[in-house]
Amino acid sequence: QSALTQPASVSGSPGQSITISCTGTNSDVGNYNLVSWYQQHPGKAPKVIIYEVNKRPSGVSNRFSGSKSGNTASLTISGLQAEDEADYHCSSYAGSSSFVIFGGGTKLTVL
Amino acid sequence: EVQLVESGGGLVQPGGSLRLSCAAAGFTFGNYWMSWVRQAPGKGLEWVANIKQDGSEKYYVDSVKGRFTISRDNAANSLNLQMNSLRAEDTAVYSCARVPYKKYGSGFDYWGQGTLVTVSS
Repeated sequence: QSALTQPASVSGSPGQSITISCTGTNSDVGNYNLVSWYQQHPGKAPKVIIYEVNKRPSGVSNRFSGSKSGNTASLTISGLQAEDEADYHCSSYAGSSSFVIFGGGTKLTVL
Repeated sequence: EVQLVESGGGLVQPGGSLRLSCAAAGFTFGNYWMSWVRQAPGKGLEWVANIKQDGSEKYYVDSVKGRFTISRDNAANSLNLQMNSLRAEDTAVYSCARVPYKKYGSGFDYWGQGTLVTVSS
């Protein structure tokens, strides 16, 4: 199973919105509503910010939202803040043998 | 508060072995599927292995099958990863991660900070 495809980097200014894409296949992203997004600051453990495509865990800002169309999932961050600067990873369930596959990660820079 | 703390990483020669452990606290460990996930330097995350609540089912990514063994001790709230026949491409930070309760396949809801494994001569 190949990794999901994410852009290596994105950037935006404070207050703007950005969207990070995550492209898979009809064996993973397109077949299950089980896409998650994780935020990872340098030297820290990943933190789930979106699960099951568009659900936010308790305590996660509503500036983070998720969606999916076909084989591509997306994470949108609105009202960018300096603290949002981090790496973002997507993942999708890929069946019982492959379990979960990840994207390569996207580095978000807040200008 | 959920806590996952890994230990056991270090420098090992190609072909060598290492045993990683993850100490869990703050939740009923035996109620959850658990996983190991790794991240090679400068690379993305990669799921390595997972284990059912009672240890009766275990799954591995193809690249570690036959070399790595995941296990757990629910009485000690501990998750383990025995790594044998290590290769340079196994160099990574290894983290334990919890699968959400009754949401198998829905990613991971808590992660440890990881322990670095370096395979080099």
